[in-house]
Amino acid sequence: AQTVTQSQPEMSVQEAETVTLSCTYDTSENNYYLFWYKQPPSRQMILVIRQEAYKQQNATENRFSVNFQKAAKSFSLKISDSQLGDTAMYFCAFIPRQGGKLIFGQGTELSVKP
Amino acid sequence: EPEVTQTPSHQVTQMGQEVILRCVPISNHLYFYWYRQILGQKVEFLVSFYNNEISEKSEIFDDQFSVERPDGSNFTLKIRSTKLEDSAMYFCASSDSGQGRTEAFFGQGTRLTVV
Repeated sequence: AQTVTQSQPEMSVQEAETVTLSCTYDTSENNYYLFWYKQPPSRQMILVIRQEAYKQQNATENRFSVNFQKAAKSFSLKISDSQLGDTAMYFCAFIPRQGGKLIFGQGTELSVKP
Repeated sequence: EPEVTQTPSHQVTQMGQEVILRCVPISNHLYFYWYRQILGQKVEFLVSFYNNEISEKSEIFDDQFSVERPDGSNFTLKIRSTKLEDSAMYFCASSDSGQGRTEAFFGQGTRLTVV
């Protein structure tokens, strides 16, 4: 069975600084996808960034980047130049390459302080 | 930009009553999902639906739950006899291929409160 673990229930960061959110996962699959979703107070689930397991290069999307360590089954999210609008719950998620259901971690609540 | 739409945004119901949560997936998508998030907890998979039938369901999705695509555009989740523990945020999602490489688009959620 696949599992996703986020060990940081809450984090805070000063505006304009950098923060890293941790995620580990467990799977016997070799090909899969990993995601970070943002859930602001509106509760909408918004895709932030996606990583394909067969790609060694870490994904980046503007201020968001990941550190994907396949052997360690680790997938952390780095937010650079944090903005107040980044305040949200962040969920790490996994899906096998062939599809199916998304498996989510417990979430990390990030507060960006002015 | 196409989006998944859910109605209502908030539903309050009495314990034991039936509720139907509605979703309009993105029009060319073929795979549909319901997820649940109890307040303060992780998002949990309930059910996936493809080609007019359930393709996968979780342990949570017991006989009290059912899904339907009644008219080719709506995708509904019915809870027959609600319990207090059904109080949660319910998210509908859709994707075009169902494969891991394609993004699942989420609706804004329906907050269900059972009193």
